[in-house]
Amino acid sequence: DVKVTQSSRYLVKRTGEKVFLECVQDMDHENMFWYRQDPGLGLRLIYFSYDVKMKEKGDIPEGYSVSREKKERFSLILESASTNQTSMYLCASSSTDPLWLFFGEGSRLTVL
Amino acid sequence: QKEVEQDPGPLSVPEGAIVSLNCTYSNSAFQYFMWYRQYSRKGPELLMYTYSSGNKEDGRFTAQVDKSSKYISLFIRDSQPSDSATYLCAMSANSGGSNYKLTFGKGTLLTVNP
Repeated sequence: DVKVTQSSRYLVKRTGEKVFLECVQDMDHENMFWYRQDPGLGLRLIYFSYDVKMKEKGDIPEGYSVSREKKERFSLILESASTNQTSMYLCASSSTDPLWLFFGEGSRLTVL
Repeated sequence: QKEVEQDPGPLSVPEGAIVSLNCTYSNSAFQYFMWYRQYSRKGPELLMYTYSSGNKEDGRFTAQVDKSSKYISLFIRDSQPSDSATYLCAMSANSGGSNYKLTFGKGTLLTVNP
């Protein structure tokens, strides 16, 4: 079974803190994604990566950056967390068919 | 007009009912259509995947695409309490390359009551 593991299920941070969300997949997938999910807004793509050290902006990249130094790991970074970044963050990966996404269980971030 | 519209519900049905979940879309370039199921406090998982128009059946689930009407449906027969979840439609014009984009509906919350 494909497993996408997100390092933290629940985080509470303060405004201005730097936040790292880690995601690891164990199926040698080329593509990895970060989404955020908010009530009434659905799933929105923040960034994705189709290869090591490659990244592409999604629909809402502002305030976020990403890092992919190894194929299995994709990190989302909030340089200076703000309250409007309180959300559920979902990592996903996919192989040759980029539309078949395997999601992690999510990281619920609260910024106070 | 939003690219993908999905009734958020909530939808509550008795066990054994036939459930119909729907999405409409505006982008005529969409060719790939998916349904994801998301249980509470979990990530979404792919349920059905269809290309272009037509029907696809998998057990109690049937996905239907009508490109002429820009309308897709997911039917659940003999619904079970374990089907209680949020159902997200998703679609894309491309299936590969670095410039593909998957567009999600906002999800419909379904509850099946025993």
